[in-house]
Amino acid sequence: QKEVEQNSGPLSVPEGAIASLNCTYSDRGSQSFFWYRQYSGKSPELIMFIYSNGDKEDGRFTAQLNKASQYVSLLIRDSQPSDSATYLCAPRAGGYNKLIFGAGTRLAVHP
Amino acid sequence: GAVVSQHPSWVICKSGTSVKIECRSLDFQATTMFWYRQFPKQSLMLMATSNEGSKATYEQGVEKDKFLINHASLTLSTLTVTSAHPEDSSFYICSARLSGADTQYFGPGTRLTVL
Repeated sequence: QKEVEQNSGPLSVPEGAIASLNCTYSDRGSQSFFWYRQYSGKSPELIMFIYSNGDKEDGRFTAQLNKASQYVSLLIRDSQPSDSATYLCAPRAGGYNKLIFGAGTRLAVHP
Repeated sequence: GAVVSQHPSWVICKSGTSVKIECRSLDFQATTMFWYRQFPKQSLMLMATSNEGSKATYEQGVEKDKFLINHASLTLSTLTVTSAHPEDSSFYICSARLSGADTQYFGPGTRLTVL
C-alpha cells in the first residue's frame, strides 16, 4: 500500500463546475496536510494547508480533512481552464520534518 | 513573500562532469531545505533534507557521495551532482521551510540534461 494514494486521473470537469480531488494516507501520525498544484514542466506551488478535522476555505478552494478515515480532499469551485494541472496531496510524515507526496491527480477543465 | 530561487534553471553537461545547483530563500530564513528529483510523468521524489550547519539526511537509495549537499547559511543550499551520467538527467527541485512552520515553498526547478 502506498503511503499517499491519489487517483491519477485525468479528472475532466466543465468550466464552472466543482472539481473534487481526493487523497488517502496511511500514516496515522500525520498532523498537517498540504495541497500543491503543479503545471506541466513547472515546480509545485502551494494552494493551501489544513491541520484540523473539518473544512477550511480559501477563495475558490476548500480543503476537507477526516483524520479518523485518513482522508483529505480538495474542492475547487467555479473551475477554470487555468486550473488544469496536477494536484499533489502531501501529508507531513508523523515525527519528521518532511512531506510525503502523492503521485498527483491530473485535472482537466474544459471550456 | 516566501520566494525561493534556483540557479541555473537548466543545464546541459557532458557525462562524467559535476554540476552544482543553488537554492536560495530570498525573503526568509530557512533552517531546513529539501531537494527533490522528478522524472517525466512521475511523482516528486525526496532526495535529502538539508539543515543549516549540519550534514544532510539522505533518503534511502540516494547516494550521498554522488549528490553532495551543502547548507552553509540560512538562505543558501547547494546540490552538486558529481560524475553525472545520462540517467541523472531529471528535473531537480528544491524547497525551503519557514523556521517553525511546516509549509514548504518550492523553487522553480533546474532541468539537468547529461549527454
